Amino acid sequence: GEDVEQSLFLSVREGDSSVINCTYTDSSSTYLYWYKQEPGAGLQLLTYIFSNMDMKQDQRLTVLLNKKDKHLSLRIADTQTGDSAIYFCAETPDRGSTLGRLYFGRGTQLTVWP
Amino acid sequence: GAVVSQHPSRVICKSGTSVKIECRSLDFQATTMFWYRQFPKQSLMLMATSNEGSKATYEQGVEKDKFLINHASLTLSTLTVTSAHPEDSSFYICSARPGAGDSPLHFGNGTRLTVT
Repeated sequence: GEDVEQSLFLSVREGDSSVINCTYTDSSSTYLYWYKQEPGAGLQLLTYIFSNMDMKQDQRLTVLLNKKDKHLSLRIADTQTGDSAIYFCAETPDRGSTLGRLYFGRGTQLTVWP
Repeated sequence: GAVVSQHPSRVICKSGTSVKIECRSLDFQATTMFWYRQFPKQSLMLMATSNEGSKATYEQGVEKDKFLINHASLTLSTLTVTSAHPEDSSFYICSARPGAGDSPLHFGNGTRLTVT
């Protein structure tokens, strides 16, 4: 099946930028997502990008997609302690399909130090 | 925005009993819902796809007689863990997609199941 890889841990100081990286193997990926999971909670959709886009920015979040290298990154500007959580990269090869299954990476634990 | 509600959020049950988890789409209709399972410090694994008015589609290795899925209406899917055992203890999360196939999946807050 599809493989989605992420580094497991990232630590940054409050106020710095965080960059979480993700690689995937499926060249037919249509949508790529970033979800945030706080302890004991479900997944919160942060942002997503369509495969024909290179970059998407939404307030403090910037997503960069290098489709050639199958590399996705999430940059969080001015990282706050409240950003501490696990961030999941996910992709789907389906477009317009009722299946819409997602393939997830293992998640990156972001720790923000005050 | 689209909201997916899941409950209970936490349940503890004895081995051998059955537990039902509900997943509701609150402000949209979902003909399809998805049930995921997450082990500690692990990624999410798709268990099954719940289809309104028809049988669920199970992923390879998931026992359909153990994890019963019912999608009786356009806003409700239920997952019943039958004859639960300690190895069924996990975090179960449902998701649904509002709108057409291009819209992203939204997730419920998950259910922490502990089987003693």
